[in-house]
Amino acid sequence: DQQVKQNSPSLSVQEGRISILNCDYTNSMFDYFLWYKKYPAEGPTFLISISSIKDKNEDGRFTVFLNKSAKHLSLHIVPSQPGDSAVYFCAATRNSGGSNYKLTFGKGTLLTVNP
Amino acid sequence: EAQVTQNPRYLITVTGKKLTVTCSQNMNHEYMSWYRQDPGLGLRQIYYSMNVEVTDKGDVPEGYKVSRKEKRNFPLILESPSPNQTSLYFCASSFIAPRATDTQYFGPGTRLTVL
Repeated sequence: DQQVKQNSPSLSVQEGRISILNCDYTNSMFDYFLWYKKYPAEGPTFLISISSIKDKNEDGRFTVFLNKSAKHLSLHIVPSQPGDSAVYFCAATRNSGGSNYKLTFGKGTLLTVNP
Repeated sequence: EAQVTQNPRYLITVTGKKLTVTCSQNMNHEYMSWYRQDPGLGLRQIYYSMNVEVTDKGDVPEGYKVSRKEKRNFPLILESPSPNQTSLYFCASSFIAPRATDTQYFGPGTRLTVL
């Protein structure tokens, strides 16, 4: 049973436009969410995170939105740049109750930003 | 330079021949973890460690062992590798506070092929 789902394996956008990557989760115990970016032949790198007490977190061109009732989060990249082309992983964890040590990842979405 | 290093980066071996993939971090992180990445499955956690001599299973621990004798090192051991352990392996580390899964630093990956 996949607890973190990224239903779009790939996404292609034009440079300068908005990229929206989606992620759904099924485990209501998850209360902290992260996005990682991964280039080929490299390890994933942390991008942005959000706690379940918030519905939005912004860092420069990257914004993550969380809709707890829908168990859905999204990553917005504005404006998109060719260097953003990578695989993006959504991840979730349970921060409360001392369980903040297991990270569950989605399958990833390949973002391609065309010049 | 703060980093997580893994060795070897590439390994081709045969079924049943014991192997160890080393992981080392120079950031004094308490938390370390191993993941495997497979096509269509994303990243899955194998084992993690909260500190020296403290290890626990992730989601896919079967066929793997780990040890944490020193804070900086977290080797992954395959006692009797099988072809279904052919995968891309990532080691990661982070501080425990505020949460163990917060902004994990990933190594560059080890591509393992078991024939």
